[in-house]
Amino acid sequence: EAGVAQSPRYKIIEKRQSVAFWCNPISGHATLYWYQQILGQGPKLLIQFQNNGVVDDSQLPKDRFSAERLKGVDSTLKIQPAKLEDSAVYLCASKGYVYEQYFGPGTRLTVT
Amino acid sequence: SQQGEEDPQALSIQEGENATMNCSYKTSINNLQWYRQNSGRGLVHLILIRSNEREKHSGRLRVTLDTSKKSSSLLITASRAADTASYFCATLKETSGSRLTFGEGTQLTVNP
Repeated sequence: EAGVAQSPRYKIIEKRQSVAFWCNPISGHATLYWYQQILGQGPKLLIQFQNNGVVDDSQLPKDRFSAERLKGVDSTLKIQPAKLEDSAVYLCASKGYVYEQYFGPGTRLTVT
Repeated sequence: SQQGEEDPQALSIQEGENATMNCSYKTSINNLQWYRQNSGRGLVHLILIRSNEREKHSGRLRVTLDTSKKSSSLLITASRAADTASYFCATLKETSGSRLTFGEGTQLTVNP
C-alpha cells in the first residue's frame, strides 16, 4: 500500500511570511496527525483529526498555525506569520484501526 | 510535562553487539511504542507493548515494560550498521484520545 505522502519536502522562507504543508494519508485511515519535530527533540503533536473533525488541538499555537482536513482525506497545515522558532520538521501521520501510526517523510522548514 | 525520556541520549557500538535503550515516563499509560527514525526520514513503528504485558519480542527486538517503575527498555540484538538511527519511545494514554507523547530519543550509531 502507498504510504503517507507529504509536500513539499523542503521549504525556506523569511520570518513573517506564510507557508503551507500538504499531507495525503494512507487510504482508509480515519485519523490524521500533524507533529512538529525540532532538531534534536522528539515529535510534538500539533493537531489530531478524526475524519474531518478536530479531536485534539490543545498544543497548536492558534494565533499563527491553522490546519484543515476537508472531506476527511487530505490535510493542510498553515503557518502565518512564521517565526524563527518555527524552524523544524513537520511530520504527518495517519492511523487506521490499530494503534500504530504511519508517518510521512516530513517537510523540513527553515525560517530565516 | 515531558512524558517518555530516553537514555542514553547517544550510544555507539560495534556491529554484532547488543544495544539497550531505556525509556522512563511519568503517568499511567495504556501502551508504550518504540519508533525508529533514520536521518532525514519519517518515523517507523517498531513494536508496541501494552500496559498488562511485561515483555515482547519481534525479530531482533526485545522490549520490556515495568509499570511499577514507569520504565521500558528496548534491546536490539546482533546489531547491524543499518540499525543506525534515532529511537524514540512514545506513550499512549487513552483518556487523551490516541495522542502519542514522544521522548527525546536515543541516537544509536552502529560502526561496521
